[in-house]
Amino acid sequence: QKEVEQNSGPLSVPEGAIASLNCTYSDRGSQSFFWYRQYSGKSPELIMSIYSNGDKEDGRFTAQLNKASQYVSLLIRDSQPSDSATYLCAVNKNAGNMLTFGGGTRLMVKP
Amino acid sequence: DTAVSQTPKYLVTQMGNDKSIKCEQNLGHDTMYWYKQDSKKFLKIMFSYNNKELIINETVPNRFSPKSPDKAHLNLHINSLELGDSAVYFCAAGTGSGYTFGSGTRLTVV
Repeated sequence: QKEVEQNSGPLSVPEGAIASLNCTYSDRGSQSFFWYRQYSGKSPELIMSIYSNGDKEDGRFTAQLNKASQYVSLLIRDSQPSDSATYLCAVNKNAGNMLTFGGGTRLMVKP
Repeated sequence: DTAVSQTPKYLVTQMGNDKSIKCEQNLGHDTMYWYKQDSKKFLKIMFSYNNKELIINETVPNRFSPKSPDKAHLNLHINSLELGDSAVYFCAAGTGSGYTFGSGTRLTVV
């Protein structure tokens, strides 16, 4: 079992729809959770972090965390073609602040 | 000013050569990292340095050696390059609250 798992996609949504990206992790002691966006040929860019159960909203983005189910998700409302990218879930197990990444989900938003 | 800068951006070299990738950060973080991203986009930790001391050394071949002259710099030296070393290498700086990545170095071994 991989430490952080994501569906590789591609996830295709029409412009204006809600995109839902999911991630599961194996280490129950994980403390911090992150979503990074990576455009093709570019470096990962931090878009959301979440540390406690529940929802955290930032503009069109909402991160959701359920530690009991070991599940993190990212919702993107009013999806735009510019949101088309690979979204990486990352988990901090507090092992020297190391982040463990999932394999990423490729999102395609079609006009 | 680029927060985390890497050089070179592209590196094409022959098998058996030795090469180095340089990384510098101006964010003031104590910890820097090297990640390898393979063709399937999977980002895997290679090394972590906290204030010039190696604190994590994942299972990578000893042909790879990180060197940190000070907390703002973390370089990666690779000996005897192999075809399987071809990947994008990212430097990052940060804490448990998230990292800032450099722009990456695409290494191609031919």
